[in-house]
Amino acid sequence: QKEVEQNSGPLSVPEGAIASLNCTYSDRGSQSFFWYRQYSGKSPELIMFIYSNGDKEDGRFTAQLNKASQYVSLLIRDSQPSDSATYLCAVSRGSTLGRLYFGRGTQLTVWP
Amino acid sequence: DGGITQSPKYLFRKEGQNVTLSCEQNLNHDAMYWYRQDPGQGLRLIYYSQIVNDFQKGDIAEGYSVSREKKESFPLTVTSAQKNPTAFYLCASSGWDRRNLAQPQHFGDGTRLSIL
Repeated sequence: QKEVEQNSGPLSVPEGAIASLNCTYSDRGSQSFFWYRQYSGKSPELIMFIYSNGDKEDGRFTAQLNKASQYVSLLIRDSQPSDSATYLCAVSRGSTLGRLYFGRGTQLTVWP
Repeated sequence: DGGITQSPKYLFRKEGQNVTLSCEQNLNHDAMYWYRQDPGQGLRLIYYSQIVNDFQKGDIAEGYSVSREKKESFPLTVTSAQKNPTAFYLCASSGWDRRNLAQPQHFGDGTRLSIL
């Protein structure tokens, strides 16, 4: 079983819709969760991170964490064509300065 | 501006040659990481270092070597033992958190390595 699993997609949504990206993880002791966006040919850039159960909102982005069910999701409201990218979920088992486990990413396409 | 600088942007390796990828950060981060990304794939951890003069193997360390002589620098050498080195190499760093929670990793712009 992989540490972090994501649907590879592609996920396709119309402009203005809500895009929902999901990620599950295997280690119940995981404590830190990150979402990165990666445009084709570029390096990943951090979108959000979340540590506690519940929702965390930042502009059009909302991260949702459910530790009991071992999943974390990213919602993108009012999706724009510029949101078209691959979204990577990363999880840490704990301890600062430790490694992250990355999923393979979900490719999102937002069409005008 | 604070950030992570990787060089070169593109690199070509001949058969039997070792090549070194540079990674420098001025974020005062304690930890640094090297990842490999193949087309359509996620990130795979090669090596990471949490403190100067110490580093740990990741999931695909064979054929690679690293050093951490300075806090700011974490060079990666791709040796001739790595038979399929063509990939996008990413360096990242992260800082310490007093709550002992992992902090976000910040990435450089990457180096694309190809075989001649």
